[in-house]
Amino acid sequence: AQRVTQPEKLLSVFKGAPVELKCNYSYSGSPELFWYVQYSRQRLQLLLRHISRESIKGFTADLNKGETSFHLKKPFAQEEDSAMYYCAPGSSNTGKLIFGQGTTLQVKP
Amino acid sequence: EAGVAQSPRYKIIEKRQSVAFWCNPISGHATLYWYQQILGQGPKLLIQFQNNGVVDDSQLPKDRFSAERLKGVDSTLKIQPAKLEDSAVYLCASSLTGGVVNEQFFGPGTRLTVL
Repeated sequence: AQRVTQPEKLLSVFKGAPVELKCNYSYSGSPELFWYVQYSRQRLQLLLRHISRESIKGFTADLNKGETSFHLKKPFAQEEDSAMYYCAPGSSNTGKLIFGQGTTLQVKP
Repeated sequence: EAGVAQSPRYKIIEKRQSVAFWCNPISGHATLYWYQQILGQGPKLLIQFQNNGVVDDSQLPKDRFSAERLKGVDSTLKIQPAKLEDSAVYLCASSLTGGVVNEQFFGPGTRLTVL
């Protein structure tokens, strides 16, 4: 069965602290991997995708195929990073995404 | 460019009643998705359209849920009759095509409460 686990429902850190949001997945085949984010009172939107190998807003994500993990990291959290973050592996054929249950990141001043 | 539009934004109904949601995707986007997001969970795909054809409806409860995209643009999702467990936010998303490299753009959602 395809499954995504984000073990932390809430992650609370102080501004300037490092952040790591964990994501583990179980997926048949070779999915493409995404992180989506929802800021307060805004729409769900793409943050970054593994295939692009890019850093967005200071965030990066490392794929570990052996551990089937795709953790999201940022060295110095900012207050504007406070949001709900979803890990989502996707089918390379259809684009279908499987979302995790999400982690709320709270960055305190 | 205009984003994905959805209406209504909120709906409150009693169980066993019917309800319909409407979605207008971004112009030129061939693929349209309907998701159900129950409180505290991530979005779950209900149905995916490519133009006006269904690509995936494996998680759509077909005894009560139906969806259509007749002209390959707008889409409606209907629940008939509604149950208490259908209370959720219903999200519509669209992308250029169904390939994984294409970003999905989400609408604001419709929050459904079934009493």
